[in-house]
Amino acid sequence: EPEVTQTPSHQVTQMGQEVILRCVPISNHLYFYWYRQILGQKVEFLVSFYNNEISEKSEIFDDQFSVERPDGSNFTLKIRSTKLEDSAMYFCADGAGYGNEQFFGPGTRLTVL
Amino acid sequence: KQEVTQIPAALSVPEGENLVLNCSFTDSAIYNLQWFRQDPGKGLTSLLLIQSSQREQTSGRLNASLDKSSGRSTLYIAASQPGDSATYLCAGASGNTPLVFGKGTRLSVIA
Repeated sequence: EPEVTQTPSHQVTQMGQEVILRCVPISNHLYFYWYRQILGQKVEFLVSFYNNEISEKSEIFDDQFSVERPDGSNFTLKIRSTKLEDSAMYFCADGAGYGNEQFFGPGTRLTVL
Repeated sequence: KQEVTQIPAALSVPEGENLVLNCSFTDSAIYNLQWFRQDPGKGLTSLLLIQSSQREQTSGRLNASLDKSSGRSTLYIAASQPGDSATYLCAGASGNTPLVFGKGTRLSVIA
């Protein structure tokens, strides 16, 4: 059964460094999302992406964040200058269409030191 | 703005018991509601999706219902097993908006 995959599973970085989190969505899905979950807190929406552009973003998704679908299969989240408070589990998700079920990847645990 | 609340925050039951997890939401214009399972330190596994035009969905021992007028959804787990121990999250979307999550109910099924 097709599934969303994410790499790396765990990323440790120093404050101020750039990180890129990678996701491979299910091949025929059209809507892509990034969410994050700080330890012990709710899963929070970051950004949605459709038709090669951002369709919606939250207040969390500031200028330090960017997303890209560089080659039609991968979907990446870049954090330009990481802060301690960026430490969280980052989930990629996708959906086949409007209002469809969303499928989540296993997550990347980002630790900023 | 959609807000999702789950009660109780934690629940412990003996194996074999039937149980109900509750989810409430504030925006009755909800388009769909999705239930997930999350094991510690792991990703989210989709269990059931209920579209706004549906009243319930079933998958195996799981049954989820949606009542838009009262702003409530329930997840019913029949004949619970220790392997059902996990955190259960509900999340609602209004149209093609992102999912808004509750904080989850941590379920422990005791053998």
